[in-house]
Amino acid sequence: KQEVTQIPAALSVPEGENLVLNCSFTDSAIYNLQWFRQDPGKGLTSLLLIQSSQREQTSGRLNASLDKSSGRSTLYIAASQPGDSATYLCAVRLYSGGSNYKLTFGKGTLLTVNP
Amino acid sequence: DVKVTQSSRYLVKRTGEKVFLECVQDMDHENMFWYRQDPGLGLRLIYFSYDVKMKEKGDIPEGYSVSREKKERFSLILESASTNQTSMYLCASSLQGARYEQYFGPGTRLTVT
Repeated sequence: KQEVTQIPAALSVPEGENLVLNCSFTDSAIYNLQWFRQDPGKGLTSLLLIQSSQREQTSGRLNASLDKSSGRSTLYIAASQPGDSATYLCAVRLYSGGSNYKLTFGKGTLLTVNP
Repeated sequence: DVKVTQSSRYLVKRTGEKVFLECVQDMDHENMFWYRQDPGLGLRLIYFSYDVKMKEKGDIPEGYSVSREKKERFSLILESASTNQTSMYLCASSLQGARYEQYFGPGTRLTVT
């Protein structure tokens, strides 16, 4: 059974700092990995999707890497801002039968960026 | 922009009531999903649908049913609400196939008293 782990569970940094969030998964037979952001009491916002054939994806100050063979992904946030404060979730997509695929989520990293 | 909407942001129901949670997407996505999110447990898949009138059980389907009569709409039904179904419910949609990302709605915070 696929398990997704995110470390640390919480992280507090001063504004302007570069930071890395970690995600690990136990079954390397994934199709892709998706990073999300969730603000308190809200839904999930998709940040980046990395296909299994890719090594990294970039969007603005965000860069996500994927090492499928070792079961790891990192989300790098450059020059952090207070508005980046949120919970960051990673999810891996696995085949689930027929033509269907499903996501398995980690429990998230709660990021606080202090002004 | 993909838009996934949910009928209510907050809902309070009594034990034993029948509860309907509605989700609508406007991007002609084949797949739709219902999750619940609980502290310490993360997001767990309840049901998903890959086509109109088609449904598949997720990891925790007990106590829930779903309906998909139109492509854009996916309903989650709690036949007889119980207090352990108090949770945040999240709907998502995606195109068919492995390559496509899921887009989430704003969530419904359901409290069963």
